[in-house]
Amino acid sequence: RKEVEQDPGPFNVPEGATVAFNCTYSNSASQSFFWYRQDCRKEPKLLMSVYSSGNEDGRFTAQLNRASQYISLLIRDSKLSDSATYLCVVRRDDKIIFGKGTRLHILP
Amino acid sequence: DAMVIQNPRYQVTQFGKPVTLSCSQTLNHNVMYWYQQKSSQAPKLLFHYYDKDFNNEADTPDNFQSRRPNTSFCFLDIRSPGLGDAAMYLCATSRGRVSGANVLTFGAGSRLTVL
Repeated sequence: RKEVEQDPGPFNVPEGATVAFNCTYSNSASQSFFWYRQDCRKEPKLLMSVYSSGNEDGRFTAQLNRASQYISLLIRDSKLSDSATYLCVVRRDDKIIFGKGTRLHILP
Repeated sequence: DAMVIQNPRYQVTQFGKPVTLSCSQTLNHNVMYWYQQKSSQAPKLLFHYYDKDFNNEADTPDNFQSRRPNTSFCFLDIRSPGLGDAAMYLCATSRGRVSGANVLTFGAGSRLTVL
C-alpha cells in the first residue's frame, strides 16, 4: 500500500461547480500536510498547508482528519484556470511524500 | 523573481553519457532536495541535503550522485543515464524541516531526454 493515496481522476467538472478530492495517508506519525497544484509540464506549486482546524483560502478549503488519516480539498465556484493536477503532500520527519495527484478538468 | 533556478531546463543526452543538472537558490534555505518525476507519476525523492548532511533514499540507484558545494548550489550527477532515467528532475528547498510554515519551494525543473 502506498503511503499517500489519491484518486487519479480525471474529474471533469462544469465551470462554477463545487468539487472535492480526498487523500489518505497510511502512517499515523505523519506530521504536516499540504496541497500542491501542478500544471502540465510545470513544477508543483504550493496551494495551501492543511491544519487540523481546517483552513480556507478564497474558494479553496482544506481539512485534515487525523483520526481517519485523510485530507480533503474543496474547490467552490470552479474556474477554467483551476484545471490542473492536485498533489497531496505529507511530511513524516524529514521525508516528504507526494501522492500521484488528482487530475481536474474544468469544462466550459 | 525566480528563487530556485535550475539549469538546464532541457537536457538531451545519449545513453551512457554523463549528465550534470544544477540548482541554485537565493532563499538561503537549509535544505535542498532532488526529486525525479516521470509522466503521470508522483515526484520521487532521490536525496536531500540538510545543510551539509547528505541523506540518500534507500532506493535511489547508485547511478545518481549529488554535490552541495555551498548553501546556494546543489548538483545532480547521473553517471550513466539509461532510457529509464528520462524524466523531469525537480529541485526544491525548504527552511529547515518542512512544516505548515516552512514549505517546499520548487525550481522549474530540468527535463532530461535520453537517446
